[in-house]
Amino acid sequence: GDSVTQMEGPVTLSEEAFLTINCTYTATGYPSLFWYVQYPGEGLQLLLKATKADDKGSNKGFEATYRKETTSFHLEKGSVQVSDSAVYFCALSEGGTSYGKLTFGQGTILTVHP
Amino acid sequence: DSGVTQTPKHLITATGQRVTLRCSPRSGDLSVYWYQQSLDQGLQFLIQYYNGEERAKGNILERFSAQQFPDLHSELNLSSLELGDSALYFCASSPQGITYEQYFGPGTRLTVT
Repeated sequence: GDSVTQMEGPVTLSEEAFLTINCTYTATGYPSLFWYVQYPGEGLQLLLKATKADDKGSNKGFEATYRKETTSFHLEKGSVQVSDSAVYFCALSEGGTSYGKLTFGQGTILTVHP
Repeated sequence: DSGVTQTPKHLITATGQRVTLRCSPRSGDLSVYWYQQSLDQGLQFLIQYYNGEERAKGNILERFSAQQFPDLHSELNLSSLELGDSALYFCASSPQGITYEQYFGPGTRLTVT
């Protein structure tokens, strides 16, 4: 079945540091890939998406590129802020008969210190 | 605020009991999804409804059931509760034709004692 693996957390950074959170996936077809973010006490929010190979999703300074050859979708940000502290989830959707089912990674806790 | 509402916010109940969680999707969204988030299993898809009909099923236990009503709100029923059912239950909705763009509610935290 489909699966998503994220780098182990938690990740602790100082403000303005560079962020990378690794994500790799296993899927039978050609999935769409996503990063969702969960701030404390809230539900998940879609951060960015990529629907085909070599697509780059970007939003709020975050970027991720769909790499089919390495089955990866790593999240990056050049300069993190304290307000980026949250839990980040990598996810995929196969579509087709799976319809809207999202398969999530285990989540990576990010803490940014001033 | 995603526009998805869930009630109640917290629920504490005993083993063997039955509870109902309620979700109202964003205005205009026809699809509703239920997810369970627990420390040991992570975030898992339970079930999807589209305009009142079941569309996709995930790792949902037989003790759990869901439905979507004509006004598009949805309910998740959990029965014969066990300690391991303690978790955050999220509802999400999506615009028509864009199933991956899911908007999540704030969740219902269920504690089974």
